[in-house]
Amino acid sequence: NAGVTQTPKFRILKIGQSMTLQCTQDMNHNYMYWYRQDPGMGLKLIYYSVGAGITDKGEVPNGYNVSRSTTEDFPLRLELAAPSQTSVYFCASSYGGTTYEQYFGPGTRLTVT
Amino acid sequence: GENVEQHPSTLSVQEGDSAVIKCTYSDSASNYFPWYKQELGKRPQLIIDIRSNVGEKKDQRIAVTLNKTAKHFSLHITETQPEDSAVYFCAARYGSGNTGKLIFGQGTTLQVKP
Repeated sequence: NAGVTQTPKFRILKIGQSMTLQCTQDMNHNYMYWYRQDPGMGLKLIYYSVGAGITDKGEVPNGYNVSRSTTEDFPLRLELAAPSQTSVYFCASSYGGTTYEQYFGPGTRLTVT
Repeated sequence: GENVEQHPSTLSVQEGDSAVIKCTYSDSASNYFPWYKQELGKRPQLIIDIRSNVGEKKDQRIAVTLNKTAKHFSLHITETQPEDSAVYFCAARYGSGNTGKLIFGQGTTLQVKP
């Protein structure tokens, strides 16, 4: 099992550009999450999904979009990148139901200049 | 809204001493409280968790205690070692249903001096 994988590892974007952060899990987990972690801070939930075709907003969804067409994949889309989106982005997954343990991917470090 | 406060923000101990990190949460319906360890440049790793029907849980040198009445939970690390140096995050599950959403504390940087 590779667990949760994310691509790319690093990316530099110019203001106004768009990109998609990829996240894949091979643990047959139903629930998936996107977090951002700003320097020296905790993690903030951006979006989450409880199954294919179902997504919902977290604490900080503005400027992002997600989709969940398969159980394995949960891409995060940034439209019109802004410097405030400079952060490390982590994807996580959990089995779901009353199994709450979340397992994280290695992260994507994004810089917007 | 939901909130998790974590203290202290930094903690320095001598190797072999104990370390305690405390968190308070605001949502009285929270029923799951994990702790994550994050080494520099790495992903958060789940090290221990506790559910609201349990007051204490232990795994070798680490333990977590929960006081539901006071809405406090704490991480205890005994016999600290240099490899325990990292940032530790507490979290609490929030929201209705079984969405599993977590709200995280701000983190505690633990330094264990040899």
